[in-house]
Amino acid sequence: SQKIEQNSEALNIQEGKTATLTCNYTNYSPAYLQWYRQDPGRGPVFLLLIRENEKEKRKERLKVTFDTTLKQSLFHITASQPADSATYLCALDNGGSYIPTFGRGTSLIVHP
Amino acid sequence: KAGVTQTPRYLIKTRGQQVTLSCSPISGHRSVSWYQQTPGQGLQFLFEYFSETQRNKGNFPGRFSGRQFSNSRSEMNVSTLELGDSALYLCASSLDSSGVTDTQYFGPGTRLTVL
Repeated sequence: SQKIEQNSEALNIQEGKTATLTCNYTNYSPAYLQWYRQDPGRGPVFLLLIRENEKEKRKERLKVTFDTTLKQSLFHITASQPADSATYLCALDNGGSYIPTFGRGTSLIVHP
Repeated sequence: KAGVTQTPRYLIKTRGQQVTLSCSPISGHRSVSWYQQTPGQGLQFLFEYFSETQRNKGNFPGRFSGRQFSNSRSEMNVSTLELGDSALYLCASSLDSSGVTDTQYFGPGTRLTVL
């Protein structure tokens, strides 16, 4: 069956460290993968999109990698700040089906 | 540019009733998608409208329906409400295509509670 797995346990890190979040998928052939940030009681906010032929994408302190062999995407936040505390969701399509499937998200807590 | 707006923000209904939620996309965006978010199931795709036509549909029962108007504003309707319909309903708009091929901008959501 198709699955998107994100760590359900919250990730706690100290301010200034690099946070790394994982998105693993099974039985999907995504052409694209996206990462979103969601704060409590609010809608998700788009952060980054990476295509299947791209290995890495960067935006300011954010970096995303996409390994279609491992069927995994890693999302990194460098020099993390307490303001980065939120839930981070990955979303992918299935070979261009245009119907996105979201992971359950991982909560990141950055301690000052 | 104003973001995606959803009304109402909070709603309490009882089982068996019906409800209509409204979404106004970002100006110029033609695609509107609806999602249901619950703690148990996460964020699940309901349907997507483009140019007043339903273009994609998720795996939800027929009690969930929607429509899009010529100004791209969209409504979704849930009939015969069940307790399990309690959720945060999110609307997202994008310029043209849907899903992950185009950046989606989400609204703040409507929190529906069914008693």
